[in-house]
Amino acid sequence: SAVISQKPSRDICQRGTSLTIQCQVDSQVTMMFWYRQQPGQSLTLIATANQGSEATYESGFVIDKFPISRPNLTFSTLTVSNMSPEDSSIYLCSVERTVMNTEAFFGQGTRLTVV
Amino acid sequence: KQEVTQIPAALSVPEGENLVLNCSFTDSAIYNLQWFRQDPGKGLTSLLLIQSSQREQTSGRLNASLDKSSGRSTLYIAASQPGDSATYLCAVRRRGGATNKLIFGTGTLLAVQP
Repeated sequence: SAVISQKPSRDICQRGTSLTIQCQVDSQVTMMFWYRQQPGQSLTLIATANQGSEATYESGFVIDKFPISRPNLTFSTLTVSNMSPEDSSIYLCSVERTVMNTEAFFGQGTRLTVV
Repeated sequence: KQEVTQIPAALSVPEGENLVLNCSFTDSAIYNLQWFRQDPGKGLTSLLLIQSSQREQTSGRLNASLDKSSGRSTLYIAASQPGDSATYLCAVRRRGGATNKLIFGTGTLLAVQP
């Protein structure tokens, strides 16, 4: 398994501002991902965080809105930029130890409310 | 396009009952299937991972089966307890594309009544 620490656990933010969410893993992992879970819905993949290079974004998500960093194999950040109430969601970090389709583990999530 | 559906959307049972949660997927070309539980407002806890070559996996009171040809998986919970109350999500890992990403189902909200 993997122990994942995600910060903050929740926040209430003003529209137009930005929030950076941190994801720290207790050991090195190959794959790190960021998901969004809108109220009452299932999870949607935002992007794959790549170490040392630009993240790979899914359709409908762009770097200007969701910039991602991954400086090493244990840490990543997701920024939600220029927030609007529609960005109110739970944001989740996920890790997998290798690229060989192994078990996925998730952080406790960040519950974001934009007012 | 892979679509994952979970039935029922919500389920309420008395404590002690055995129950089955269902997950169906439209494309049988998967690497594996994973079951998670999610407590309200929280992250996901991995319960069981079944590789495409496997038929079932067991962990404690949980048993998950996989029938890839029919596009179905079931999660069996024995002797349910109030602490089992949560949303249960299944996710399939599709084959192909740049990333073999997880596709999540819609979830089943389980309430176990004491």
